Amino acid sequence: QKEVEQDPGPLSVPEGAIVSLNCTYSNSAFQYFMWYRQYSRKGPELLMYTYSSGNKEDGRFTAQVDKSSKYISLFIRDSQPSDSATYLCAMSDNTDKLIFGTGTRLQVFP
Amino acid sequence: DTGVSQNPRHKITKRGQNVTFRCDPISEHNRLYWYRQTLGQGPEFLTYFQNEAQLEKSRLLSDRFSAERPKGSFSTLEIQRTEQGDSAMYLCASSPLAGVIHEQYFGPGTRLTVT
Repeated sequence: QKEVEQDPGPLSVPEGAIVSLNCTYSNSAFQYFMWYRQYSRKGPELLMYTYSSGNKEDGRFTAQVDKSSKYISLFIRDSQPSDSATYLCAMSDNTDKLIFGTGTRLQVFP
Repeated sequence: DTGVSQNPRHKITKRGQNVTFRCDPISEHNRLYWYRQTLGQGPEFLTYFQNEAQLEKSRLLSDRFSAERPKGSFSTLEIQRTEQGDSAMYLCASSPLAGVIHEQYFGPGTRLTVT
């Protein structure tokens, strides 16, 4: 079993929809949670960073962490075709090493 | 402020050849990381440096792989006697010493194809 599980998708939604992306994990030592966006053949781009449990909002993006359930989410409001990409969750304990999910491919169609 | 840069962007090599990749981190970022990403997977940690010191190496990093960061600035990743299984995207990331160390900023990657 992988330490971080993420549905690979693809997830296809119409423009303007609310998108929900999720990851589950097994390592209770994880305290730092990140979401990256990766366009095809590009490097990952850091979107959101959260420490421990709780919510964090940045524009159209909201990250949620539920450590009791070992479950994290990224919500995208008013989705745009330019949001079409692969979204990677990543986690870490007190080390510098990030553990990534496999990524969820999102397609937003006009 | 420029981001992380990596060269070359693409490399095609024959099995058995040696290859070397370069990463230039964001200026004043003390930490530098190497990851490998295969198709349909997330990046996997290979190794990281704090300044010039290599502090951790993954079990994924076989003896054919070596990384250096002389003078604590740019880094190189060398793969000796390449194998077809080495075909992947090699990603470099950096983060500042102060502040949130888990905010790692990635470069565009070097795509390696071993034929």
